[in-house]
Amino acid sequence: DGGITQSPKYLFRKEGQNVTLSCEQNLNHDAMYWYRQDPGQGLRLIYYSQIVNDFQKGDIAEGYSVSREKKESFPLTVTSAQKNPTAFYLCASSIRRDGYYEQYFGPGTRLTVT
Amino acid sequence: AQSVAQPEDQVNVAEGNPLTVKCTYSVSGNPYLFWYVQYPNRGLQFLLKYITGDNLVKGSYGFEAEFNKSQTSFHLKKPSALVSDSALYFCAVSSPGGRDDKIIFGKGTRLHILP
Repeated sequence: DGGITQSPKYLFRKEGQNVTLSCEQNLNHDAMYWYRQDPGQGLRLIYYSQIVNDFQKGDIAEGYSVSREKKESFPLTVTSAQKNPTAFYLCASSIRRDGYYEQYFGPGTRLTVT
Repeated sequence: AQSVAQPEDQVNVAEGNPLTVKCTYSVSGNPYLFWYVQYPNRGLQFLLKYITGDNLVKGSYGFEAEFNKSQTSFHLKKPSALVSDSALYFCAVSSPGGRDDKIIFGKGTRLHILP
């Protein structure tokens, strides 16, 4: 988990509210990612960013938004449009090594929406 | 399109016995392969990777994995399991020359080591 921080570890929200999950890295990595993890479904990519001020949708971007104003930071907003927001959210960053990318993960944020 | 499969949702092994967690992949071109481990309510931790060279790669905590190109597999192994090895294990794949740097993860295999 070293080098990538996610806060808070546990987050509770009422249905209909937007919520922003923080992700910060001090590894000087160019690329950052957000994944959602649900039991039995592995990791699903929400958004990723390869460079500051640019990001792309992953496989399940609907109901989520991101920004990448600084290299170190990649916050994820879970909007009220996300129908099933309760999940474990993982942030990652990657560095290019000899032609491949090695990902490092943060500790995760567990979001519960009621 | 890239894909990775972990055919077993759960694997049970007695402590002290050898363990194997299976992974198969599909990519165009040569694969880059990874194993990660996740403990409850934690992020993923890197275990080992295959990029090129020797088909048997060694990683953290005594784990190793064997790359088999003909069977498109990258099974995770350990000669003697510990109770502390109980966790969720993910296999992942990427391929060189891609337009971006996404890694595709399997659905995970839960490993239970029985005392």
